[in-house]
Amino acid sequence: DAEITQSPRHKITETGRQVTLACHQTWNHNNMFWYRQDLGHGLRLIHYSYGVQDTNKGEVSDGYSVSRSNTEDLPLTLESAASSQTSVYFCASSDSARGTYEQYFGPGTRLTVT
Amino acid sequence: AQKVTQAQTEISVVEKEDVTLDCVYETRDTTYYLFWYKQPPSGELVFLIRRNSFDEQNEISGRYSWNFQKSTSSFNFTITASQVVDSAVYFCALSEGDSWGKLQFGAGTQVVVTP
Repeated sequence: DAEITQSPRHKITETGRQVTLACHQTWNHNNMFWYRQDLGHGLRLIHYSYGVQDTNKGEVSDGYSVSRSNTEDLPLTLESAASSQTSVYFCASSDSARGTYEQYFGPGTRLTVT
Repeated sequence: AQKVTQAQTEISVVEKEDVTLDCVYETRDTTYYLFWYKQPPSGELVFLIRRNSFDEQNEISGRYSWNFQKSTSSFNFTITASQVVDSAVYFCALSEGDSWGKLQFGAGTQVVVTP
């Protein structure tokens, strides 16, 4: 069955370190998204991609970057981790070809920056 | 500006009661999609339903039903005969026609169903 996976599921890092969160989907979806979830804020969009070599900034992109070298993967990099980036991160994908736009989410990565 | 408002922070019900979750959205687009997602205590986000702006027909799917009213910009979701397994955070989300698949989420409503 097609799925979307994230790794690691839990990560503890120190302030100032570079961290990369992996996202891999086997849906063959064109669109991929990264969100962060914080109490009281719902999910906020960090970055998104509509296809290979395409990346776009979302609502809360400062301090984050992504790259899309193939259809399946959209890694999220925190250039210099800050305590404000402690959060749960979700990756999602959707199929623009069908024009329905519902997104399917990975299980999430809980990141703690100390 | 918040485009999706879920005014109810938490709703507590006893099993078998119905529960309705409110969602009010804001958009100037004529083409848009609305969604409901469920996030159980295990943390994953589960897609429940999608409606597009051209289809105001309200539907029932099992114990779930939804009421889409463009006149009031509301997309409410009802769980009939609630069960303990319905305990979760429910998110309403909007995708506007000019944003091609990006979702804007409300803050979520925590539903607690007690036996």
